Amino acid sequence: DQQVKQNSPSLSVQEGRISILNCDYTNSMFDYFLWYKKYPAEGPTFLISISSIKDKNEDGRFTVFLNKSAKHLSLHIVPSQPGDSAVYFCAASVPSGTYKYIFGTGTRLKVLA
Amino acid sequence: GAGVSQTPSNKVTEKGKYVELRCDPISGHTALYWYRQSLGQGPEFLIYFQGTGAADDSGLPNDRFFAVRPEGSVSTLKIQRTERGDSAVYLCASSLNLAGPNEQFFGPGTRLTVL
Repeated sequence: DQQVKQNSPSLSVQEGRISILNCDYTNSMFDYFLWYKKYPAEGPTFLISISSIKDKNEDGRFTVFLNKSAKHLSLHIVPSQPGDSAVYFCAASVPSGTYKYIFGTGTRLKVLA
Repeated sequence: GAGVSQTPSNKVTEKGKYVELRCDPISGHTALYWYRQSLGQGPEFLIYFQGTGAADDSGLPNDRFFAVRPEGSVSTLKIQRTERGDSAVYLCASSLNLAGPNEQFFGPGTRLTVL
């Protein structure tokens, strides 16, 4: 039972354009969402997060949107840069004392120069 | 400052052998997590430590898997009688675990291959 889903395994975008990565979840109890970025042979690194009480959070070129009614979140990167090429994981935090993450399967973004 | 480190970076073993994977969290981080990432999947939660105690081990797949954190810092994930299906990247993460969810900082992982 995949509680966090990233249905696009890969995405290619031209440099300078917008990249939109999508994520759907099934558990309405999730209260905190995060995006992590992963380069080969490295651990995931935190990118941006959003609490369930918000619908948007912005940090520089990165914006995360949350639509609770649709159980959907998206990450917008604008403008996209070649260095953004990586695998992006969406994660949701379980509302318990552990705050463990449930990850999606990832989307591989390739930004073409 | 130093991030989360994991050793070894790669481990190749034979089916049925015992392995230990080590994690050094960021100094001062009381929360420590182990995740496992199989090919084409996202990381899957295994176990969570708050200090020295395993507060949530619900993700451990079976009793061949065990983890310790005796002094509340370094943690070791132990796998007995390894099987080919245990092959994966094992990731460790730490966080300050203040009230509410906090950013987890991940190590580079240990790639385990069971032949």
